[in-house]
Amino acid sequence: GAVVSQHPSRVICKSGTSVKIECRSLDFQATTMFWYRQFPKQSLMLMATSNEGSKATYEQGVEKDKFLINHASLTLSTLTVTSAHPEDSSFYICSAPGLATDTQYFGPGTRLTVL
Amino acid sequence: EDQVTQSPEALRLQEGESSSLNCSYTVSGLRGLFWYRQDPGKGPEFLFTLYSAGEEKEKERLKATLTKKESFLHITAPKPEDSATYLCAVQAGGSNYQLIWGAGTKLIIKP
Repeated sequence: GAVVSQHPSRVICKSGTSVKIECRSLDFQATTMFWYRQFPKQSLMLMATSNEGSKATYEQGVEKDKFLINHASLTLSTLTVTSAHPEDSSFYICSAPGLATDTQYFGPGTRLTVL
Repeated sequence: EDQVTQSPEALRLQEGESSSLNCSYTVSGLRGLFWYRQDPGKGPEFLFTLYSAGEEKEKERLKATLTKKESFLHITAPKPEDSATYLCAVQAGGSNYQLIWGAGTKLIIKP
């Protein structure tokens, strides 16, 4: 199966700072990647669709200026949480569809804690 | 409106006690139905993709089935390591890979 990695797995930062999370497809190319956030005991909430070489598509209610997405290559998408606040603390997960398949493969997730 | 509902919300079983998880869906043109397993603090792990009514897939103690309105994830003689949250998602036709998620079923297998 396709492998997706995320870095870092865990980050703690102070309020007002920015945090960058990387999502990589390790053994396949992904023109599209997805970013989700997940609160405790809740299901996944799609934040945005990341498209290689073009602007990301954000879901309703997600601030594009706060959650900056860059998909600069076919194997890397980054999510930057700008001026993070405690309410941004969450579990962020990325995914990518595998080659010639509709199945999405997920990264291991990044736990963000904003103090 | 496209929607996915999973039941029960939580299920506690004794080791070896078989049961089923349900995923009901309404979607305009099903492109695929997906089952994932998620352990605490980790990303979802892919289990199965089902595309058409009548399709079945198996993996170890798990078997997924699909009808025009719902999918079942049958677990036979479960072990404690099968404890996890099981997520169901559907992809509508023309949706560019976007998934509609159920809330999940938390499965606890007691030894």
